[in-house]
Amino acid sequence: ETGVTQSPTHLIKTRGQQVTLRCSSQSGHNTVSWYQQALGQGPQFIFQYYREEENGRGNFPPRFSGLQFPNYSSELNVNALELDDSALYLCASRSLGTETQYFGPGTRLLVL
Amino acid sequence: GENVEQHPSTLSVQEGDSAVIKCTYSDSASNYFPWYKQELGKGPQLIIDIRSNVGEKKDQRIAVTLNKTAKHFSLHITETQPEDSAVYFCAASPLTSGTYKYIFGTGTRLKVLA
Repeated sequence: ETGVTQSPTHLIKTRGQQVTLRCSSQSGHNTVSWYQQALGQGPQFIFQYYREEENGRGNFPPRFSGLQFPNYSSELNVNALELDDSALYLCASRSLGTETQYFGPGTRLLVL
Repeated sequence: GENVEQHPSTLSVQEGDSAVIKCTYSDSASNYFPWYKQELGKGPQLIIDIRSNVGEKKDQRIAVTLNKTAKHFSLHITETQPEDSAVYFCAASPLTSGTYKYIFGTGTRLKVLA
């Protein structure tokens, strides 16, 4: 186990709704990244947070946003949900200055 | 754009045989290459990684090789066991202003037949 936890484990939403996913980083890790993993695909980078600020973003629209808190927990918020947002959402944490990211178990989101 | 190709998409081997998974990356700025194992219903778990200044790294039954010139890197698993059955992902990471964005391959489903 990596020490990275995520909640909830599963979630069902309706198109147009908003969702908040949560992550608790591994102890001592001050950088968190979020990834979207569609069924049968590799994870795709959404964004990275360090010191409560976004400092890197992938090809995702602004309706994907995040927060990082002083205790290194973080949130991923998705507004105006679309059917294609159905996926496994993974957070990964690491210590600044190191390359290795440790992933949580993910939250599986289904948009109907 | 940045891309990582991974082959094969599925791989079946007999228990005790070796398995090889190959990846090719496009971004020459990539300097860190981790491999992850993902079991059903779980998040990816790091199994081995290699940095661009090293050509080969081994950890017990698992080894990774890197050819920077050809932009190829490979995962080798020897003496496979049923518990090695999972989906394996390679990734390439270019360091850009402190952002270690991983570009993942599409995954290889490994089945080890007992």
